Amino acid sequence: GENVEQHPSTLSVQEGDSAVIKCTYSDSASNYFPWYKQELGKRPQLIIDIRSNVGEKKDQRIAVTLNKTAKHFSLHITETQPEDSAVYFCAASRDSGGSNYKLTFGKGTLLTVNP
Amino acid sequence: DADVTQTPRNRITKTGKRIMLECSQTKGHDRMYWYRQDPGLGLRLIYYSFDVKDINKGEISDGYSVSRQAQAKFSLSLESAIPNQTALYFCATSKKSVNQPQHFGDGTRLSIL
Repeated sequence: GENVEQHPSTLSVQEGDSAVIKCTYSDSASNYFPWYKQELGKRPQLIIDIRSNVGEKKDQRIAVTLNKTAKHFSLHITETQPEDSAVYFCAASRDSGGSNYKLTFGKGTLLTVNP
Repeated sequence: DADVTQTPRNRITKTGKRIMLECSQTKGHDRMYWYRQDPGLGLRLIYYSFDVKDINKGEISDGYSVSRQAQAKFSLSLESAIPNQTALYFCATSKKSVNQPQHFGDGTRLSIL
């Protein structure tokens, strides 16, 4: 089955700096890569996702890049703010159109943005 | 707003007890999932269901069972709870279409003494 590795497990940055979280996946058939943010005591919430037919996607201060050849994808947060502090999860899945759709999550990255 | 609702939000119980966690959704989604979250281990899939008659085991289904009572309801049961099932449990839903994001409930914090 799919295996998703996420690094680093913890990341501390100063407010205004950029943060990058990287994930690798093992199943070359995976074609959907969402990122979730989980604030303390809250539910995971989707912040951005990318499909395998594109290499990069941006939404204001966050962006995701995908390298299918190397089987890795990354989350980039620019101009970080204290409210960006949370645990971030990457995930990967494949969908053949049948019953195979399920997400495999990385173990998470605790991002701390220091004022 | 359409949402995913989990009950109870917190539960403390004893080893050997039977426990049911419930999930209901008003999103109109076909697919429903149960995950377990442990510190440092991320989210691990317990069971998933693509419709009322389609239920599948995830990566850590041992010790758990599920029931899809209706399109909007998906319950997780621990037949005889043990302490290492202490965790935060999340229900999630998604549309049936290709590559759809999953939407999570607020979670149930379960402690087994």
